[in-house]
Amino acid sequence: NAGVMQNPRHLVRRRGQEARLRCSPMKGHSHVYWYRQLPEEGLKFMVYLQKENIIDESGMPKERFSAEFPKEGPSILRIQQVVRGDSAAYFCASSPPGINSNQPQHFGDGTRLSIL
Amino acid sequence: DQQVKQNSPSLSVQEGRISILNCDYTNSMFDYFLWYKKYPAEGPTFLISISSIKDKNEDGRFTVFLNKSAKHLSLHIVPSQPGDSAVYFCAGTSRGAGSYQLTFGKGTKLSVIP
Repeated sequence: NAGVMQNPRHLVRRRGQEARLRCSPMKGHSHVYWYRQLPEEGLKFMVYLQKENIIDESGMPKERFSAEFPKEGPSILRIQQVVRGDSAAYFCASSPPGINSNQPQHFGDGTRLSIL
Repeated sequence: DQQVKQNSPSLSVQEGRISILNCDYTNSMFDYFLWYKKYPAEGPTFLISISSIKDKNEDGRFTVFLNKSAKHLSLHIVPSQPGDSAVYFCAGTSRGAGSYQLTFGKGTKLSVIP
């Protein structure tokens, strides 16, 4: 399967713990995006990364959240000191390089984060 | 402030008939629109898109119409099939402004009745 791969699919954490969500983009894609979906809501943009660079993090909460996309390996969304309100589905998407690309973003199946 | 609105949370349609899903937007900078389909416990799957320089785009059973003056777009599915039952999300983005973030509506749940 050459699609966007996210793991884990489900993650349970207690309040105060750290959550790490991983995303491997589609083959040939170098742009990665993270979105969060709260219950009964649409997906909300969090951050846009290219290899080793954060391009747009305007949707990221100011504290506790960080993202990276290293030269080697998957993109990581890290949430420190999780709280109940962080419970949501987190989706990763990827797209090919090319600033004028009309290719759509392709999504993974998400990580469902539950905070006890 | 919701920049993309899907005012119908749900829609039921008989198999074989036309499904029309609607979407309104407020951001005049949006120049590219996409429709995604989502099944439970899966990620959104891209369906069809339209650039603001067009007013219609067609792909098989799916057609998207864009009315820029009304800031309104719609997705037509004809004929509707039971496998089309899913949540449909409309999204907009401002590629001309260099932005790649997608702004999504809350979705419309389509049920196609056999």
